[in-house]
Order: sequence, then C-alpha cells, then structure tokens
Amino acid sequence: EAQVTQNPRYLITVTGKKLTVTCSQNMNHEYMSWYRQDPGLGLRQIYYSMNVEVTDKGDVPEGYKVSRKEKRNFPLILESPSPNQTSLYFCASSLDWGSGYTFGSGTRLTVV
Amino acid sequence: DQQVKQNSPSLSVQEGRISILNCDYTNSMFDYFLWYKKYPAEGPTFLISISSIKDKNEDGRFTVFLNKSAKHLSLHIVPSQPGDSAVYFCAASASGGYQKVTFGTGTKLQVIP
Repeated sequence: EAQVTQNPRYLITVTGKKLTVTCSQNMNHEYMSWYRQDPGLGLRQIYYSMNVEVTDKGDVPEGYKVSRKEKRNFPLILESPSPNQTSLYFCASSLDWGSGYTFGSGTRLTVV
Repeated sequence: DQQVKQNSPSLSVQEGRISILNCDYTNSMFDYFLWYKKYPAEGPTFLISISSIKDKNEDGRFTVFLNKSAKHLSLHIVPSQPGDSAVYFCAASASGGYQKVTFGTGTKLQVIP
C-alpha cells in the first residue's frame, strides 16, 4: 500500500529533551515536507525537501532540523523542545511539483 | 501574514444541496492551487487542484473555480453528502517555488442528513 508512515503517533516529552519524529514513504517520491497544525492557524510548513541532500526552510523552521540522507526518509528533529512546539505534526510527500501531497497520519507532540 | 485565507471557519449544508467553500489569497505569485479534505485523526487527503492557466476544474462532484483578478478560489460540492463532513483546506504554491506550499486555516463543513 502506498503510504507515508510517521512514528510515533503520540509523544509526551519534557522541555529540552531531544527527540526525533521519523517519516518514511514507499512511493519513490522526490518531494517531502513537514507541517504543523495548530488551532486557528491551519497547516504551516516547517521544512521541505526536493531531493536527497536538498532541504529548505518553510514558514516556521525555528527550533527544528531535518535531514534527507535517503529518498524515502525525512526525519524531523527537535534538538531542545519547548512547550510552544506542542502541536500536531504531519509529514507529506509528492511525486512532483504539480502533484498533491500524500500525508501521513500525524504525530501529536506534547512538550511539558 | 496569512497569504491564504479561509474566512469561514465553519459551514453547515443540507444533504443534497450545494456546498461552496471559499478561499482568498494575497500573493500574486501563486499559480497553483489545491484543496485538501481532512477527517479527525487522519492526515489531509488531496482532493482537487487547479493551475492559474485555467478558471475551472471538475472532478465528479467537486469543482474548483479560480478568479485570478479577485485572487479568489472556491470549491463547489454538488450534491453534498454526509461523508463530505470534514475540514477543507485550501493551499497555494508558486511555480519555481518547488514544494513551498502555503495552506489556509481550514473550513469545517457539516453536511446535515
């Protein structure tokens, strides 16, 4: 089944404890992206990647890092999480510029 | 600065009637627009898209209209069905902007049986 897989689905952590949210797609898509969804703010892009080793900042990159060492994986790294990063996170991938994204099921992160 | 705006947070429509969801944008560089549907506890699902070289695109019950001069697009669902109840997001990107896609805040559609 073609899909984008994120792990974990739920995570509660403490301020300052480094964490990684994994994202993997099995569709050989070039493009991948991370979004966060917050009430009243919709989906905001954190980082995106056009191909292996090519990444760029979205609208809200502060406090996040990404890497794209392999085409299928695009992990999101929070080096020192803070409570304002409590949110619902989505990873997505697409075949090309004109295609719609396929989204993962989301990761609900709570930072206390 | 919200470049893609969905000014109606919610909309209720009777089953069988038309649902019209609206979206406005401010960035004149946007030339590709998409609509996504999102159910609770799931990721958004791509619904339909339109390029700025068109003013209308149809896919079954879903039609998207684009008015470039007004920087406005709308999604029409005809006829509306209870399974269409979801949050709908409008999104936009600019050619040459690769995958930098800007989403609106969403409109929650409720279709009443």
